[in-house]
Amino acid sequence: GAGVSQTPSNKVTEKGKYVELRCDPISGHTALYWYRQSLGQGPEFLIYFQGTGAADDSGLPNDRFFAVRPEGSVSTLKIQRTERGDSAMYLCASSVQGDTEAFFGQGTRLTVV
Amino acid sequence: QKEVEQNSGPLSVPEGAIASLNCTYSDRGSQSFFWYRQYSGKSPELIMSIYSNGDKEDGRFTAQLNKASQYVSLLIRDSQPSDSATYLCAEGSNYKLTFGKGTLLTVNP
Repeated sequence: GAGVSQTPSNKVTEKGKYVELRCDPISGHTALYWYRQSLGQGPEFLIYFQGTGAADDSGLPNDRFFAVRPEGSVSTLKIQRTERGDSAMYLCASSVQGDTEAFFGQGTRLTVV
Repeated sequence: QKEVEQNSGPLSVPEGAIASLNCTYSDRGSQSFFWYRQYSGKSPELIMSIYSNGDKEDGRFTAQLNKASQYVSLLIRDSQPSDSATYLCAEGSNYKLTFGKGTLLTVNP
C-alpha cells in the first residue's frame, strides 16, 4: 500500500502479558517513529529510527518498552509485562529522512485489562 | 522541555465561515511546524507544514508563522462540516515532533 501500515488495529491483552505492535513504513522512507497518544492528549514521542538503528530512544518510558527495525523497513514495538497504564493509541510514522514531513499510520489501540 | 500550547476549545463556527486555530511554542530555535487533523478515533493526518515566517496557502488552508512571537496559526476558509475534527499543532526539531493537545473544531451546518 501507499501509506504507513500498522497491525493489529486493536489489541486487548491481560495485565502482565507481552505484546508486539508492527509498523510497515512508506516504501523508501528511511526514518521511522513511534508515538503514543492518550485520550485528550497530543501524541508523545517514543523512539526514532534512521535506517536500522535507534537514533533516539529517549521517549521510551521504561525498560519494559523496546523497539527494533532489523532490516531498515518494518519495525516492531515490544512491550513486556504490560500494565493498565500502557493502554493508549500507539502510532507509527515515517518520513523520507529525519526532520521532514512525517506521515502516520492508522495506529494500534492497545487496551490492557 | 519543549512545549507547544493550544487552546483545547471547542471552537465552534458556522458553515462557510473562517476558522482560526492558534498555537504557541516555547523553543525560539524551532524551525519546522506542522498542522495535523485528527478525526475522532483516527490517526493524525498531515495537512500543512511551514518553515519560514509568513503565510503558506494550500487550497482552503493557510498556515501562518511568526518566529519573533513564537506563534503559528491555521486558517480554514469556507469551513465545512467535514472539517470538524481536532487540529494538532506540532513543532519539529532533533528528528522528533512535539505536539500540542489539540483544538477541537466543530463546524455547524
